[in-house]
Amino acid sequence: GDSVTQMEGPVTLSEEAFLTINCTYTATGYPSLFWYVQYPGEGLQLLLKATKADDKGSNKGFEATYRKETTSFHLEKGSVQVSDSAVYFCALGFNQAGTALIFGKGTTLSVSS
Amino acid sequence: NAGVTQTPKFQVLKTGQSMTLQCAQDMNHEYMSWYRQDPGMGLRLIHYSVGAGITDQGEVPNGYNVSRSTTEDFPLRLLSAAPSQTSVYFCASSYRQGNTEAFFGQGTRLTVV
Repeated sequence: GDSVTQMEGPVTLSEEAFLTINCTYTATGYPSLFWYVQYPGEGLQLLLKATKADDKGSNKGFEATYRKETTSFHLEKGSVQVSDSAVYFCALGFNQAGTALIFGKGTTLSVSS
Repeated sequence: NAGVTQTPKFQVLKTGQSMTLQCAQDMNHEYMSWYRQDPGMGLRLIHYSVGAGITDQGEVPNGYNVSRSTTEDFPLRLLSAAPSQTSVYFCASSYRQGNTEAFFGQGTRLTVV
């Protein structure tokens, strides 16, 4: 079935370091891909998305490119801040009645100053 | 803008008790869903609804009931609480099915003793 696999965490970085969180997917159709972020004590919120192959989603300095050939949607940021400490979820979804988002297990990022 | 509102934020139940987790959205979204979040498991779909009067099961529906009598409300009922239902529960809504942005509530942390 359809699924999302993310790199295991936690990821611990110093401020201004480069961030990559790997995400790969398995899907029978052509999904949209998402990154959601969960700050401590809060619900998830959309960080960025891409709806077709080669699309790049970006927001708040984060970016991810939809790579159909490698079935990947890796999250990157050039210079992380302490305020980026959160749990990041990769997800996929289909434009099909009765479907729901499918999430990866989440990756915890901890940034220290 | 209230968005998605969940109540209560915290709840402790004894094994065998029943309760209802409330979820309301004010965005006129057709699609609503309930997830549970457990350490190392990511978010797993419990039940979802594509509109008033229409509900369906997700990945982990056992022990939970839902109904959708209005567009705004989507309560989740625990019929007879078990320790395995200790989790954080999130309600989400979206304009359409899985390929559009989902808006999440802040979550309900449930402990069953």
